[in-house]
Amino acid sequence: KQEVTQIPAALSVPEGENLVLNCSFTDSAIYNLQWFRQDPGKGLTSLLLIQSSQREQTSGRLNASLDKSSGRSTLYIAASQPGDSATYLCAFTGGGNKLTFGTGTQLKVEL
Amino acid sequence: DTAVSQTPKYLVTQMGNDKSIKCEQNLGHDTMYWYKQDSKKFLKIMFSYNNKELIINETVPNRFSPKSPDKAHLNLHINSLELGDSAVYFCASSQLGGGSNTEAFFGQGTRLTVV
Repeated sequence: KQEVTQIPAALSVPEGENLVLNCSFTDSAIYNLQWFRQDPGKGLTSLLLIQSSQREQTSGRLNASLDKSSGRSTLYIAASQPGDSATYLCAFTGGGNKLTFGTGTQLKVEL
Repeated sequence: DTAVSQTPKYLVTQMGNDKSIKCEQNLGHDTMYWYKQDSKKFLKIMFSYNNKELIINETVPNRFSPKSPDKAHLNLHINSLELGDSAVYFCASSQLGGGSNTEAFFGQGTRLTVV
């Protein structure tokens, strides 16, 4: 059974810092990995998708990596801004495109 | 132009009632899902339909009955609502198969409150 853990559970940083969010999983038989952000009271916005054959994907200030051998993925956010404040979720795609979600990291970027 | 839309956004109802949540996607995907986010914000899959066929049913009480009239729509009907059903329900869609096409897109969620 796939278990997905995200560390830290919460993070507060000053604006401008570079930061790393971690995601670990127990079953390496994954298809893809997807990172989402969720704003309070809102839905999920897809940020990045990494296919199982890839090692990383980049979009603007975001970079996500995937290391299946160690069961880890990281989301790197460069030059953080207050608008980045949200909950970040990683999710792994298994059979039937079923997404197994992590526990989330609640990020607050302060002025 | 909303990709995945679900209605209503908020739903407050009494215990014992029956209610439905509707979902539609205009992405041309062949697979749709219902996820439940509990009070601790943990997201877990409930159902998945591929081309109107049920492919995932994750130990959900049979009071929950999904219905997919076509591959662009997946509705969720809940009978005899209980207090513990209070949660946010998210609809999502994706395309089965390998590659980047498996990216999942989510609706804005329906916050269900049972009183």
